[in-house]
Amino acid sequence: EAGVTQFPSHSVIEKGQTVTLRCDPISGHDNLYWYRRVMGKEIKFLLHFVKESKQDESGMPNNRFLAERTGGTYSTLKVQPAELEDSGVYFCASSRGAGVSYNEQFFGPGTRLTVL
Amino acid sequence: ELKVEQNPLFLSMQEGKNYTIYCNYSTTSDRLYWYRQDPGKSLESLFVLLSNGAVKQEGRLMASLDTKARLSTLHITAAVHDLSATYFCAVAFSGTYKYIFGTGTRLKVLA
Repeated sequence: EAGVTQFPSHSVIEKGQTVTLRCDPISGHDNLYWYRRVMGKEIKFLLHFVKESKQDESGMPNNRFLAERTGGTYSTLKVQPAELEDSGVYFCASSRGAGVSYNEQFFGPGTRLTVL
Repeated sequence: ELKVEQNPLFLSMQEGKNYTIYCNYSTTSDRLYWYRQDPGKSLESLFVLLSNGAVKQEGRLMASLDTKARLSTLHITAAVHDLSATYFCAVAFSGTYKYIFGTGTRLKVLA
């Protein structure tokens, strides 16, 4: 079974540009999550999809960030326009649907975003 | 506020020694997870702890959960170089799916 994949692995952009990160969850996982780790600090939750619906977007930092999951499969996270403080590692995770009591999340390798 | 504290942040230890990483959290939780991350790689699931008093062991690693004290420990026995990595605890608080992570512990095992 393939794991969670993310693309690109690294992205270097200039302040003010736009970047789109992609996440492909494990096949059959209804839940998809985005997290990020900034400057060696703790990994912080951004948002949670159940299929194509946003279940919890309480961690999204501001309206420069837009996440989508059309069709309930892969997800994209767009940052527009990027700012210096957006630099960090963006992780995607997925888990099975509701009813699985412990909802273990499986993580991708992350996308390292550097904004210059 | 939902908060998870993990210590130490850095740990350098000799091969063959024992040590413990601590994870404290601020309010009631029914799910606690430990992950390992090697540089540039995914977070690899190590343990899922679901109930008070849960203890799980895999090789040289043993994790436990005390929900009354709101504390989990990850104990390393007779460390070997291959255990060098960053270890994270993550807590899912009741009624939510999202994880709240600790700061991570960067472990370096010296030969």
